[in-house]
Amino acid sequence: DGGITQSPKYLFRKEGQNVTLSCEQNLNHDAMYWYRQDPGQGLRLIYYSQIVNDFQKGDIAEGYSVSREKKESFPLTVTSAQKNPTAFYLCASRLRGRGPEQPPYEQYFGPGTRLTVT
Amino acid sequence: GQNIDQPTEMTATEGAIVQINCTYQTSGFNGLFWYQQHAGEAPTFLSYNVLDGLEEKGRFSSFLSRSKGYSYLLLKELQMKDSASYLCAESKDSGAGSYQLTFGKGTKLSVIP
Repeated sequence: DGGITQSPKYLFRKEGQNVTLSCEQNLNHDAMYWYRQDPGQGLRLIYYSQIVNDFQKGDIAEGYSVSREKKESFPLTVTSAQKNPTAFYLCASRLRGRGPEQPPYEQYFGPGTRLTVT
Repeated sequence: GQNIDQPTEMTATEGAIVQINCTYQTSGFNGLFWYQQHAGEAPTFLSYNVLDGLEEKGRFSSFLSRSKGYSYLLLKELQMKDSASYLCAESKDSGAGSYQLTFGKGTKLSVIP
């Protein structure tokens, strides 16, 4: 079955430790995204990648890092520099745009990882 | 979503119709998406509009007015399983075929018997 997987579903870490969240997709999607969701807040974009070996910062990239060495994989590292890392992290992917001035395809989301840092 | 406004909560009765409104900034607009998110789960895609008018998909319909920066999601024949958050998201072209979604904070819909 095609889809997006994130593991683990729940993750606990001590303050000061870096932690890497995995995101894998077998949909052959080009673009991948990382969001965080906090209670009462909308999804906020952390990083995104349109193609392998290229990625851009989103609205709240500080304290996070990513890599895109393979089309299928887009891991997110939450570093100790992130001041409020406890959140629900969602990975998404989509096909690249249909062309100039064409509407984009929808994003598909993974099940999410709930990270708790104490 | 600093540029997207939608009501925080709504309550409706099973079998009824409910309309969830969303306003957004029009500059750079490329499309308007609606997602459903049950508590603790990932958002799932419902619909998108790029042209003015109504798009119907079974019990769910979505409307767009580009000139007014306004959209709504219409849910008919409400069922208990429709209790969820509904996220409005605006798509903008950030260049070279790259698109970003800006999400609203979501509208939590409670369907009561």
